[in-house]
Parts: sequence; C-alpha cells; structure tokens
Amino acid sequence: GAGVSQSPSNKVTEKGKDVELRCDPISGHTALYWYRQSLGQGLEFLIYFQGNSAPDKSGLPSDRFFAERPEGSVSTLTIQRTQQEDSAVYLCASSSRGTQSYEQYFGPGTRLTVT
Amino acid sequence: GQQVMQIPQYQHVQEGEDFTTYCNSSTTLSNIQWYKQRPGGHPVFLIQLVKSGEVKKQKRLTFQFGEAKKNSSLHITATQTTDVGTYFCAGASGSARQLTFGSGTQLTVLP
Repeated sequence: GAGVSQSPSNKVTEKGKDVELRCDPISGHTALYWYRQSLGQGLEFLIYFQGNSAPDKSGLPSDRFFAERPEGSVSTLTIQRTQQEDSAVYLCASSSRGTQSYEQYFGPGTRLTVT
Repeated sequence: GQQVMQIPQYQHVQEGEDFTTYCNSSTTLSNIQWYKQRPGGHPVFLIQLVKSGEVKKQKRLTFQFGEAKKNSSLHITATQTTDVGTYFCAGASGSARQLTFGSGTQLTVLP
C-alpha cells in the first residue's frame, strides 16, 4: 500500500472487554513498531518486530498486552481486560531494511477509549 | 536505559519569530531523527542526522547533531502558522533499530 494503515480508527469499549488493533505496514518493510500516545503526551514504546519475531517486548505495560506478527507483515495488538488507563492513541510504524536510515513511517493511529 | 530529554515542552511565538527546540540523550547516539506531528495527526519524519557535528538544512529548518553525539537541536527561522505542531527528536544507539523518542516540544505560532 501507499502508507501504513491501521484499523479501526476509533474504538470505544467497556472496561473489562478485550480489544484487537490491526496494523498493515508499508509493503516490504521488515521492521514494525507499536507506540502508545496519551493526550498531549509523547510516544511510549510498546514493542518492536523484525520480521515475525519480537526482539524487544520491554515496553509492554502488563501481561494484558499481547502483540503478534505471524507472517512478518500485518500485526495485531491485543489488549485483554481493558482498563480506563489503557485509553490512548495506539500508533503503528514501519521501516525498511536499510543500512543507516531507520526512518519510521507512522500510521494514522487507533484512538481507544475505555469507558 | 536510554533516556532522551527535550526542552522546552511548550513554546508560543509570534509569526516571524525564530524557534529552537533542544534534545539531550543520556547515552551516545548512533543517529538522531526528528519528527513533526500536526494537531490531530501522526508523526511525520523530517530528517536523520548521523555524523558528529552534522548540520542539515531544509528551507527555514536547521538541524544540528552535537560533537559528542548526545545532543541535537532544531531551529526554525521566521516561523509561519504552518509550522504549528509538536516536534519530536528520537535517538538510536549502536545498531539498534529501536528509537527512543523525546517528550516533544509543542509549538504554537500566533498570527
């Protein structure tokens, strides 16, 4: 595709429910990143995939958060038993296998609201 | 772990004034990137700096990477209303593909 796409664009869910967020990276990009951004705040790193493996899961806030990228392209971020503090914009980014240039291309984000 | 500090958090300027945001890392960086996020939008890549002391220009924007590769700055000359947004620096260490983002500087340009 022309850019990184994410779905849904908005999600309102009740506390305690599970949600699944999807990211379609730019075709051919091997690296994929998930970030979380609360209103007016910076980007909080969640997880990074290289292909279908996740070398760095250190940013996942709790064991309620799970991400996968089974075929090295599309990725899903699942949040189980959502809490109000999970409300934020979840951003996905991808980058290509370059030598020094690791610029990240961001998707439009999924705005999650937990009521 | 690596930390990237960015100041100021907020900056209001009159249109035509200059603007600078500063970024400092707790560790030596292999490269630093700058992103711009318009209100309601997502971060968009602006530039990458790799070499010690490197200076790059994009029209009214000037980017610098410190000699020690631990700090960077973005300077905008004669701001315009189209410059409004939040500017983030993001640093990488070694061969790591992961970026650590600064907290951002939110720029408001008053007409």
